[in-house]
Amino acid sequence: DQQVKQNSPSLSVQEGRISILNCDYTNSMFDYFLWYKKYPAEGPTFLISISSIKDKNEDGRFTVFLNKSAKHLSLHIVPSQPGDSAVYFCAASAGSGGGADGLTFGKGTHLIIQP
Amino acid sequence: KAGVTQTPRYLIKTRGQQVTLSCSPISGHRSVSWYQQTPGQGLQFLFEYFSETQRNKGNFPGRFSGRQFSNSRSEMNVSTLELGDSALYLCASSSLAPRGETQYFGPGTRLLVL
Repeated sequence: DQQVKQNSPSLSVQEGRISILNCDYTNSMFDYFLWYKKYPAEGPTFLISISSIKDKNEDGRFTVFLNKSAKHLSLHIVPSQPGDSAVYFCAASAGSGGGADGLTFGKGTHLIIQP
Repeated sequence: KAGVTQTPRYLIKTRGQQVTLSCSPISGHRSVSWYQQTPGQGLQFLFEYFSETQRNKGNFPGRFSGRQFSNSRSEMNVSTLELGDSALYLCASSSLAPRGETQYFGPGTRLLVL
């Protein structure tokens, strides 16, 4: 049973526009959420995180929104740049404050930024 | 500071064989976690080692095992390989307790089981 779902395997966005990546979860015990970015032939790198006590966290061009009632989070990238083309993973943890031992990942969304 | 290194980068094995993958964490990091990435299941946590002790384990069969040495380098072993074990195996290191924000991933070892 997939507890963290990224229903869009791929997403194509024009350079300069907003990219919105979505993630849904089913486990109501999840209280910490993270986004990772992965380029081919490299390991994932941490991008941004959010605790369940917040509904928004912003870091430069990246903003994560959390809707706990809908069990949904989204990552907004504004403006999108060619270097943002990568696979983005959503991850969640329950009670471990984002501890890696409790991370459950989605299957990833391949973001393609079109020039 | 050198990053997390994994060897080998690519590996081809046949069903029934066993395989050992190696991970060298960032200098000074004592926690090493292993993940399996497949197209069907995404990234799944295998296990985590800290100071040579396995602290946490994911939901994988006993064919998957690991260990950590006193220099924090870690190995994972898969015995009696199955076709479904074909995947990218990622290792991540952290300085103390692993946290999502401060885990540094290696490039992975791509294993193909024929």
